[in-house]
Amino acid sequence: GQNIDQPTEMTATEGAIVQINCTYQTSGFNGLFWYQQHAGEAPTFLSYNVLDGLEEKGRFSSFLSRSKGYSYLLLKELQMKDSASYLCAAANQAGTALIFGKGTTLSVSS
Amino acid sequence: GAVVSQHPSRVICKSGTSVKIECRSLDFQATTMFWYRQFPKQSLMLMATSNEGSKATYEQGVEKDKFLINHASLTLSTLTVTSAHPEDSSFYICSARDDGGYGYTFGSGTRLTVV
Repeated sequence: GQNIDQPTEMTATEGAIVQINCTYQTSGFNGLFWYQQHAGEAPTFLSYNVLDGLEEKGRFSSFLSRSKGYSYLLLKELQMKDSASYLCAAANQAGTALIFGKGTTLSVSS
Repeated sequence: GAVVSQHPSRVICKSGTSVKIECRSLDFQATTMFWYRQFPKQSLMLMATSNEGSKATYEQGVEKDKFLINHASLTLSTLTVTSAHPEDSSFYICSARDDGGYGYTFGSGTRLTVV
């Protein structure tokens, strides 16, 4: 079967660093995506990993280990506006639909 | 960057009527588009894969006669919710994959409320 697991909720304070973990099991693999979604809005793309290692993009970084079926999203210098749901998604094969995890709701407090 | 336009953003309809939702890729071609449904505080659940010029592929448990999908061109897919019922009330989101890239771009979503 196909399964993507991530924590349901996380909390953090402004200025802190938070790491959101994701484990996946898919029949094939063509990349791991992270999206940010605010309530009532569509997901917005954050990162894409297809090879092992760390991809850094400003305050956000994403890591992938294909052998472990594991990824994480690292958010640095947290801001209140980072409060949102973070969705981990995997692509089975090129061109097929993304399979989403249940999402992690991050609450950032002052 | 790639943009996907989805309309309408919100719609309220009476039980038993049909609603059509459009999804357009504005600056790229998308042979394949995807339709998702999201209930409150839940993740995106894939409903169907829309293929240009051919029949859509529906996920298990999704009624193809109720959720009609048409993908008549490389930039437009439509989802029609037929004979809508209150339990169809949800957030519907389309996604398109750029044929020339790897990215998946999402539309802004449609909040459907059936009364």
